[in-house]
Amino acid sequence: EAEVAQSPRYKITEKSQAVAFWCDPISGHATLYWYRQILGQGPELLVQFQDESVVDDSQLPKDRFSAERLKGVDSTLKIQPAELGDSAMYLCASSLESTGATYEQYFGPGTRLTVT
Amino acid sequence: AQSVTQLDSQVPVFEEAPVELRCNYSSSVSVYLFWYVQYPNQGLQLLLKYLSGSTLVKGINGFEAEFNKSQTSFHLRKPSVHISDTAEYFCAVSPRNFNKFYFGSGTKLNVKP
Repeated sequence: EAEVAQSPRYKITEKSQAVAFWCDPISGHATLYWYRQILGQGPELLVQFQDESVVDDSQLPKDRFSAERLKGVDSTLKIQPAELGDSAMYLCASSLESTGATYEQYFGPGTRLTVT
Repeated sequence: AQSVTQLDSQVPVFEEAPVELRCNYSSSVSVYLFWYVQYPNQGLQLLLKYLSGSTLVKGINGFEAEFNKSQTSFHLRKPSVHISDTAEYFCAVSPRNFNKFYFGSGTKLNVKP
């Protein structure tokens, strides 16, 4: 069964350092999402891609966060510099299309970030 | 604007007992509704979804949910829980024709032997 891949699974970094997360969606999925999940809360959308284009980054802290999906396949989320409040689970999800009957998102296992 | 409220942050229940996890939503447009389950240090897995049709939706692992439009609710139920159902459950809504998801804060289900 196809799955969304994410790496690393766990990352510990010091405040002010740069950190990057990688996501490989299910093959053929046009839409890719990055979510941040703070402990005890539900996922919050950071950025949504349709192919290689950003369709929603309204909640992305653009002064320190960046995301790209250059060839419309895999994606990288970067934080520079990391702050203590960035400690969270970062989840990647993909879906077959931006609109349609299924409306189902498939989630990867996430990257647990701890900033010290 | 959309919002999702999960009324119980934690629900303890004994094995083989029934359980209901509550979800209420607020939206100015019609929405699709979802329940996801998350096991520790894992991503979210879809349990069930309501897109249209019958308001009673059956999902995986014996779970079901009922859409109540007048009460704007989508409560999740299981008639007999197992230890393996211990996890966190998230309700989510997505405005129709606009593929963006809004999640509740989650309910931790703790099944005791």
